[in-house]
Amino acid sequence: GIQVEQSPPDLILQEGANSTLRCNFSDSVNNLQWFHQNPWGQLINLFYIPSGTKQNGRLSATTVATERYSLLYISSSQTTDSGVYFCAVGRSGNTPLVFGKGTRLSVIA
Amino acid sequence: DADVTQTPRNRITKTGKRIMLECSQTKGHDRMYWYRQDPGLGLRLIYYSFDVKDINKGEISDGYSVSRQAQAKFSLSLESAIPNQTALYFCATSDPGLAGGVDTQYFGPGTRLTVL
Repeated sequence: GIQVEQSPPDLILQEGANSTLRCNFSDSVNNLQWFHQNPWGQLINLFYIPSGTKQNGRLSATTVATERYSLLYISSSQTTDSGVYFCAVGRSGNTPLVFGKGTRLSVIA
Repeated sequence: DADVTQTPRNRITKTGKRIMLECSQTKGHDRMYWYRQDPGLGLRLIYYSFDVKDINKGEISDGYSVSRQAQAKFSLSLESAIPNQTALYFCATSDPGLAGGVDTQYFGPGTRLTVL
């Protein structure tokens, strides 16, 4: 099956710093989503981005489908950005998502 | 009210007991999923259903069963719980047909299950 690798596994940032999280996948996909799991366990969808670039406030994401990777950018990080960020991919609209193991982000004041 | 709800939110049980976790949604979505999360392993798919008459096994279905009672309800059962089924369980929904082909998944709050 399709493999999803996220890096780095752990990241510690000072408040206000910028960061880039990476997601590599082993096969072509037409479904790619980024999620944030907050420290209380809630999973929130950040982006649906099988290709191209999207921005939402301080967060943006870029997927280069031909090179099989996606990047999540967090600018001016805040303590509320802490948690685990997951990338998930699917080959088609009728195949379920496969999740990476996540990047655990800790933003310290 | 939350769009995707899970009950119970926490459950402690003993080895060999039958357990049912329930998921309800008010989003009107056709697709529903059950995932399991273990520390350091991300989320792994247990079962999924694309409509009321459709049930599919996921990556780790052994030891689990599901029932799709209605569009809005999808239950996960552990017939005889064992300690390595201790985990955080999530239900999720999606519906690309309602969202112009975008298959965004929406998660419930999770159920923390401990099997002693």
